[in-house]
Amino acid sequence: GAVVSQHPSWVICKSGTSVKIECRSLDFQATTMFWYRQFPKQSLMLMATSNEGSKATYEQGVEKDKFLINHASLTLSTLTVTSAHPEDSSFYICSASSGNEQYFGPGTRLTVT
Amino acid sequence: AQKITQTQPGMFVQEKEAVTLDCTYDTSDPSYGLFWYKQPSSGEMIFLIYQGSYDQQNATEGRYSLNFQKARKSANLVISASQLGDSAMYFCAMRERNTDKLIFGTGTRLQVFP
Repeated sequence: GAVVSQHPSWVICKSGTSVKIECRSLDFQATTMFWYRQFPKQSLMLMATSNEGSKATYEQGVEKDKFLINHASLTLSTLTVTSAHPEDSSFYICSASSGNEQYFGPGTRLTVT
Repeated sequence: AQKITQTQPGMFVQEKEAVTLDCTYDTSDPSYGLFWYKQPSSGEMIFLIYQGSYDQQNATEGRYSLNFQKARKSANLVISASQLGDSAMYFCAMRERNTDKLIFGTGTRLQVFP
């Protein structure tokens, strides 16, 4: 199946700093990628839809100025958590569609101290 | 609004036995897709099986099969011959038409014991 990578796999940052997470489709082109957040022992919640060459579409309740998404190419989407706070600590997962299937990256565990 | 419900927070099954994980959904859209994913403790989401709303037959992938009952709006996952490595969280998800967005259920934690 298709492969999606994420970098970094985990990151610790100080409160107030910004963190960038990369999501890449390694063997296919993805015009659309998705960013999810998962808190411990909870389900995945869609944050936004990342569209190549255009602005991301955010789900209700997600602050677009805090979670900046850029989809500059058909194989790369980035999520930047700006001015991170401890409540932003979570597991962030991206995905990309290929045919009928949707493939997920391995996730990034963010801890804000 | 579309909704996915998984009513089993946890399930136990003995190795080599079969287990069914329940999933019901609600949508007014005649065209939709249903997915099952496995999430081990490492966190990665592993695609297991897909069922389209217009598919006539139940999907199967190796030891995984999907018991699709359209009239009852259920899409239960059946795992045959359980293995210790099947212990993980299992999520049912539905894809909205034309957007590819996935809506996830709350998940079921499956534990396989020897």
